[in-house]
Amino acid sequence: QSVLTQAPSASGTPGQRVTISCSGSSSNIGSNFVYWYQQLPGTAPKLFIYSNTQRPSGVPDRFSGSKSGTSASLTISGLQSEDEADYYCAAWDDSLNGPVFGGGTKLTVL
Amino acid sequence: QLQLRESGPGLVKPSETLSLTCSVSGGSITSTYFSWGWIRQAPGKGLEWIGSIYQSGSTSYSASLESRVTISVDTSKNQFYLRLSSVTAADSGFYYCARHLNYWGQGALVTVSS
Repeated sequence: QSVLTQAPSASGTPGQRVTISCSGSSSNIGSNFVYWYQQLPGTAPKLFIYSNTQRPSGVPDRFSGSKSGTSASLTISGLQSEDEADYYCAAWDDSLNGPVFGGGTKLTVL
Repeated sequence: QLQLRESGPGLVKPSETLSLTCSVSGGSITSTYFSWGWIRQAPGKGLEWIGSIYQSGSTSYSASLESRVTISVDTSKNQFYLRLSSVTAADSGFYYCARHLNYWGQGALVTVSS
């Protein structure tokens, strides 16, 4: 049982806009930055969003992050086939004094 | 650019101790107030925090693993370490070292099997 809650799956067609949500609590998302990772099969998670909304160099600008209260979202505008992957959210948890993760959302491009 | 790299045995016998090293390059392990930690992922499963060590040398561990985990650091080598004792098959998977949540290694696959 993951501390952060994500839907296990999401899907969309090429060009569509897709949003993946992540729900937490006041001790994690509510008081700390949110991070998003993309994981392709057989590879390590890759940082796609940090500090709620910031994209590392090299991440396409069709990826964007947002946060409101104890929830966060990752939005992909203009879905492409190479975006098919697992996406995880994460945040530091002040109660646990460590990071917590969502269970991951498997994104399928139809 | 900060880089982290995990190393250690890929095969550990049940009941023995898993030991991994994280080598940090491109920056000093003492130059930041961020935590240095270990995260793992069982095959086909999600991400699980194991524990972290801070600039002060203090540590925090996942409650579910605390009795078996030790994280330590050697600042002279710019490395930090994971020891997980009394391993079982459930401890098999990829182990990642990370600086806070923004820099990760590529992972080390550890299989627990006799």
